[in-house]
Amino acid sequence: DTGVSQNPRHKITKRGQNVTFRCDPISEHNRLYWYRQTLGQGPEFLTYFQNEAQLEKSRLLSDRFSAERPKGSFSTLEIQRTEQGDSAMYLCASSSLEIQETQYFGPGTRLLVL
Amino acid sequence: DQQVKQNSPSLSVQEGRISILNCDYTNSMFDYFLWYKKYPAEGPTFLISISSIKDKNEDGRFTVFLNKSAKHLSLHIVPSQPGDSAVYFCAARPYTNAGKSTFGDGTTLTVKP
Repeated sequence: DTGVSQNPRHKITKRGQNVTFRCDPISEHNRLYWYRQTLGQGPEFLTYFQNEAQLEKSRLLSDRFSAERPKGSFSTLEIQRTEQGDSAMYLCASSSLEIQETQYFGPGTRLLVL
Repeated sequence: DQQVKQNSPSLSVQEGRISILNCDYTNSMFDYFLWYKKYPAEGPTFLISISSIKDKNEDGRFTVFLNKSAKHLSLHIVPSQPGDSAVYFCAARPYTNAGKSTFGDGTTLTVKP
């Protein structure tokens, strides 16, 4: 297994458009997380799944954001009606309950909203 | 209210010397702490962790120290190598909510040859 993968790696969109990002976790990991990182700051927690259940959502996750993990494998993060403030790096991580919850991160999707 | 703080945005050390990166936290519910390293254009990579039942954890050149009374932890890298140059993030979480980690803003370490 090559680790967590994210697609696309870069996305440029116009304000008001919808975007969707995909995360493929490490295959045996049952937990999947989404974080957002802006320049000069650390990753901020958005939401996480255990298998297909979304267990927690940050108050940072406005109504325009939705995440799914329909079969407990890959996950998607959709942002509707994008705003310039949504420009950031969106990071996905996965973990296994058997390994002390160490989160393994993907390379991220960099979003630029014009 | 930033619950995990890394007060030094940057640190520069000579190759072979010790690098000490610091992290402070305010939430008493945090009892598991991690350090991640991040290179440009990559996601953070797990480096080392420590639970609140310990005050020290060592892995090769990397040692993390935890002072619970001061709500402070530090990462020591000895000896520092140019390949250690990266952004280092401290993260913390409560054991009761293992899914949610709170990160500091990072310290950029530069190791000069």
